[in-house]
This record gives sequence, structure tokens and C-alpha cells, in this order.
Amino acid sequence: DTGVSQDPRHKITKRGQNVTFRCDPISEHNRLYWYRQTLGQGPEFLTYFQNEAQLEKSRLLSDRFSAERPKGSFSTLEIQRTEQGDSAMYLCASSTRQTPEAFFGQGTRLTVV
Amino acid sequence: AQKVTQAQTEISVVEKEDVTLDCVYETRDTTYYLFWYKQPPSGELVFLIRRNSFDEQNEISGRYSWNFQKSTSSFNFTITASQVVDSAVYFCALSEANYGQNFVFGPGTRLSVLP
Repeated sequence: DTGVSQDPRHKITKRGQNVTFRCDPISEHNRLYWYRQTLGQGPEFLTYFQNEAQLEKSRLLSDRFSAERPKGSFSTLEIQRTEQGDSAMYLCASSTRQTPEAFFGQGTRLTVV
Repeated sequence: AQKVTQAQTEISVVEKEDVTLDCVYETRDTTYYLFWYKQPPSGELVFLIRRNSFDEQNEISGRYSWNFQKSTSSFNFTITASQVVDSAVYFCALSEANYGQNFVFGPGTRLSVLP
């Protein structure tokens, strides 16, 4: 097991474009989280999946953000019509009920120009 | 509502000094988990320790020790004989067992260990 994997590691996009990020959790981890982190801040919760069901979504998450986890395995996070304020590190993490600590991937750094 | 406070924004120490990072939390739940994560300059968040709300036993792991006190809602982290490799941002986090599964992170404390 190689841990949580995220792709791409870096993404530069023009304002208004759509972007999609992928996260592969640790195998057999049924809980998956997306977080966003800006410079100098702690990670901010975006959304949470248990298996394929999206159980929690931050009120801060605008309608331009959507996440999926088909078949309860990998997950994708899509941002439509990107804005400069979306520039951040997007972190994915996974855990299980038995081991509630979340293990994080290396993140995808998004820069909107 | 759940909240994590790390009052120390930045700390600088000289190598071999001991340093304590403070964490104070607020929660509405009776069952919860507390965590410490390390974020080195490479950027990846590294899990260090988890504490369950019903287990107040303090823990020592090598140079690291953690002091959990429910009475003061604190979960402090001490590094003994600090080393340059300990330089990182350290985050305290809280997860409630009965009110959702998301983790709430504090703002972090940047630790610089000078040679």
C-alpha cells in the first residue's frame, strides 16, 4: 500500500476554466475527505464520503465545486469556472471507522491565473 | 460547535531545547478524537498521534510527549531536545464521533529549530 495518492500534483489554469483532481485513498479505507489549504492557514474541510455516499459538505463550498466517489474507491473533485480565489492546495485524506485518524495525500496545488 | 485554537503562531528555539505547543479545543460531543499533525516544508501532512476523549493517559513516544487534560480542554505537545528536523508547522485537530466525521484543524504553529 502506497498511501493516499493525488493527481496532478500541480495545476495551473486560466480563470474561467474547469479543473478536475483525482484522489486514490488507501485501499479498504471507506472514509474519504477533501480539504483546502491556503498559505499560512490550517486545512479547511470541503466534503466527506463514506463509501460512495457524500455525507457532509461544507457550507463554504460553492455550487462551482462538485465531488464524486463512484463505487466507493477513488474520488474526483471538480471546480467549474475557476476564480483566482480558488488558488490553494487541495488535500485528500482517508480513514476507517476503526482507525479514525486521517492519512493525507501530498495534495494538488492549484494556481488560477 | 467545534473549534481548535493554537495561540502560538510561531516559535523559535535553539537545537536541544524543549518546546511545548499548545492546543485548546471546544466541542459539543462527549466522544471525540484529538490529533496532532506535522507539515514539514515538503507540504505533506504527517499524522503523529490520536487521543480518544475517554483516554486521558498521557503518552510519550521517543522525544515526543502529549498531555491531554479534559478539565482544561487542552491537548499539548512537547518535543524534548529539539532537532533541526523538527522544524515544521504543527496542527492540532478535532473530530467529533457523533456530529459528523470531518476534522477541524487549528491554525497551526510554525516551529523553527535553529542549529
